[in-house]
Amino acid sequence: QTVVTQEPSLTVSPGGTVTLTCASSTGAVTNDHYPNWFQQKPGQAPWALIYSASRPHSWTPARFSGSLLGGRAALTLSDVQPDDEADYYCLLYYGAPLVGIFGGGTKLTVL
Amino acid sequence: EVQLVESGGTLVQPGGSLRLSCAASGFTLSNFWMHWVRQIPGRGLFWLSRISDDGNTRSYADSVKGRFTISRDNAKNMVFLEMNSLKAEDTGVYYCARDNPDYWGHGTLVTVSS
Repeated sequence: QTVVTQEPSLTVSPGGTVTLTCASSTGAVTNDHYPNWFQQKPGQAPWALIYSASRPHSWTPARFSGSLLGGRAALTLSDVQPDDEADYYCLLYYGAPLVGIFGGGTKLTVL
Repeated sequence: EVQLVESGGTLVQPGGSLRLSCAASGFTLSNFWMHWVRQIPGRGLFWLSRISDDGNTRSYADSVKGRFTISRDNAKNMVFLEMNSLKAEDTGVYYCARDNPDYWGHGTLVTVSS
């Protein structure tokens, strides 16, 4: 059974930079996994940030960037704002037809 | 404005069935693949299923394969999730989402309990 792993929690200071990662139990994450990143705040639906590893949606603030880093998908938040405090989820796709698997989520605290 | 509105969530007994609906507006549904995603309140997201723009290709998470069926009616701008043999662990908020996914609905709550 394939598992997608994220850091359970991270803490960052306002104005700082933090990188969240997303690993696959099958090996290196590549563009063929079409990595997606989402932000979710309590009581709200997920909000899409990044697709295909590094492509921002039209509404994604420039402070959010996606990449492939060291065999993982990565989401980097620069100049972190208090409003960025949220849960962040990655989604990877596998096989054909594609089946999606979410990571367990990272709870980001801005302190 | 893109909108996705889920409906059909309710309390259902274990072993029961339920059909969820997702009403799409503000875009041409027939141009997009669609997803269903579940979330237990206070827990993480769980990807359930995906259907191609023309309805001919479908995929499912292993835990729901054979029990859940995704379908769509592009003419009526609707996407559906038929759920059978429901278990307590199927309880959660069910979201409909478009494409990557990019746009998400606000979800509908399904509770499986006796």
